[in-house]
Amino acid sequence: ETGVTQTPRHLVMGMTNKKSLKCEQHLGHNAMYWYKQSAKKPLELMFVYNFKEQTENNSVPSRFSPECPNSSHLFLHLHTLQPEDSALYLCASSQVANLPGNEQFFGPGTRLTVL
Amino acid sequence: GEDVEQSLFLSVREGDSSVINCTYTDSSSTYLYWYKQEPGAGLQLLTYIFSNMDMKQDQRLTVLLNKKDKHLSLRIADTQTGDSAIYFCAWMDSSYKLIFGSGTRLLVRP
Repeated sequence: ETGVTQTPRHLVMGMTNKKSLKCEQHLGHNAMYWYKQSAKKPLELMFVYNFKEQTENNSVPSRFSPECPNSSHLFLHLHTLQPEDSALYLCASSQVANLPGNEQFFGPGTRLTVL
Repeated sequence: GEDVEQSLFLSVREGDSSVINCTYTDSSSTYLYWYKQEPGAGLQLLTYIFSNMDMKQDQRLTVLLNKKDKHLSLRIADTQTGDSAIYFCAWMDSSYKLIFGSGTRLLVRP
């Protein structure tokens, strides 16, 4: 595997379910990001991890819970979601966070549908 | 405030040039970016420009920056069907977060 991978690519869940999204980067980077891309809003940053430490929580509801066990893996745990949470969730990584000109590499995303 | 505006849709004929425009409100960023998103894929960085530059050319891509008008554009020369995608402009704010535009969907007609 190369670059940034995300699993699953598609996920359908009910509002009472608990599921997790997984992201893995094979680039030797130290920063990882979760973004939400919905039809009605521009791409929104959700969380930033730098060297496994969370450095940004962009006012995300607590029904989204990130986890970064090491610099290569990032999870997004989902529980009691709402239909408006249906979106494409993109993971990205970069060499480090909070550095100007730092290129972010994106995964293909997980298309989430909440019924 | 932080806001980036893009036109939603652009249709061009194969072989023509495409120009995608972006207007931003905050001029504090030192880097401005263009990303491409193909169907079913994540975002791919195409090019970027420093705010002290007016123009950057990279093969078929030309980026123009008008700091006075806070206007950024991406010109694609000899547009091909493989260029059909959504194009996002983005800039890095003072806390180094990427702020994205709403995206322009480019359709290249054969």
